Amino acid sequence: AQSVTQPDIHITVSEGASLELRCNYSYGATPYLFWYVQSPGQGLQLLLKYFSGDTLVQGIKGFEAEFKRSQSSFNLRKPSVHWSDAAEYFCAVGGDTGRRALTFGSGTRLQVQP
Amino acid sequence: KAGVTQTPRYLIKTRGQQVTLSCSPISGHRSVSWYQQTPGQGLQFLFEYFSETQRNKGNFPGRFSGRQFSNSRSEMNVSTLELGDSALYLCASSLEGGTGDEQYFGPGTRLTVT
Repeated sequence: AQSVTQPDIHITVSEGASLELRCNYSYGATPYLFWYVQSPGQGLQLLLKYFSGDTLVQGIKGFEAEFKRSQSSFNLRKPSVHWSDAAEYFCAVGGDTGRRALTFGSGTRLQVQP
Repeated sequence: KAGVTQTPRYLIKTRGQQVTLSCSPISGHRSVSWYQQTPGQGLQFLFEYFSETQRNKGNFPGRFSGRQFSNSRSEMNVSTLELGDSALYLCASSLEGGTGDEQYFGPGTRLTVT
């Protein structure tokens, strides 16, 4: 069965600093990987996705993620964090059955210090 | 284009009651998925509907059910509510629910069971 691990429950960074959120997955075949962001009281917004091809994926809001098959990782990065990036971030892998069901990690809450 | 809408946004019910939540997908989207989000279990897949048929189901008891109408709107029903059913219920829509389709999430319905 597929699974996703986000080792960091809570991360605090200073505004303007770089950011890396970790994600490790377990999946039998080539994974379909996603990063979502959730602001308080809101639904989930897709930041970026990886299906195949270039292992460095660019997303919205200046985020990028790198797929590393050898490490089963799909870490999210941003070179310079803005206060508006404070939110909860979820990594997800596509489902086993037709990849329609997403399996989510437990999330990483990002706090941005001024 | 209007996003995914969910009604009601907030709901308070008593143990033993039943509840129906509604989801209107983005116009043109035919796949609707439901997820439950709780602090303890995180985001968990409930079920997915396409063309009025349930295509995929998560590991939830039979008290959780859903349906989809011909206009792709979907409802989910929870019968005999338990305290543990308190959660944020998220609906997501996509064009066909396929591997390359992005899932767009609604803001969720916050259900509190007392």
